[in-house]
Amino acid sequence: AQSVSQHNHHVILSEAASLELGCNYSYGGTVNLFWYVQYPGQHLQLLLKYFSGDPLVKGIKGFEAEFIKSKFSFNLRKPSVQWSDTAEYFCAVNTGGFKTIFGAGTRLFVKA
Amino acid sequence: NAGVTQTPKFRVLKTGQSMTLLCAQDMNHEYMYWYRQDPGMGLRLIHYSVGEGTTAKGEVPDGYNVSRLKKQNFLLGLESAAPSQTSVYFCASRTGGTDTQYFGPGTRLTVL
Repeated sequence: AQSVSQHNHHVILSEAASLELGCNYSYGGTVNLFWYVQYPGQHLQLLLKYFSGDPLVKGIKGFEAEFIKSKFSFNLRKPSVQWSDTAEYFCAVNTGGFKTIFGAGTRLFVKA
Repeated sequence: NAGVTQTPKFRVLKTGQSMTLLCAQDMNHEYMYWYRQDPGMGLRLIHYSVGEGTTAKGEVPDGYNVSRLKKQNFLLGLESAAPSQTSVYFCASRTGGTDTQYFGPGTRLTVL
């Protein structure tokens, strides 16, 4: 069965530190990849997505993610985090059907 | 344009009681989804619909029923609530082409 693994469940960083959140999926075919973010008390919203083309995609608020097909990975990065980046981050994969599979989420806490 | 709305925002039920969660979207989206979010487990798909009058089971459908009588509404029903159904429920919708899902604000349900 298709699955999405997020390596870290909780991450604590100080402001200005660099961030990388890992995401791996299990599916050998064409995929559409997403990162969603859920700020405290808010609903999930799209951070960035990859459908095709340049494997390095840029999203809102300075986030970017790199699709490495050979590693089945779609890691999320940000060079310098801010306190306002405190949130839960979900990686998600769609394999062309109706359903999107979500990872378990990574809770990021940024210390001011 | 309200996007995706959910009613109610909070609810407390006793074991065995029934209730219906309402999801409404004003974006003319074909696909609608119900997820539950539990700590450490991410979002799990309960049921989904690919159009008015159609529904299908997701990953964790037991104990839930759904209906999509109108394109803009997707109802989630619990006929006999159990403590294991204590969770945060999110509704989402999308068009067929973009794959980006738009989420509602969530309903926090507690079953005592």
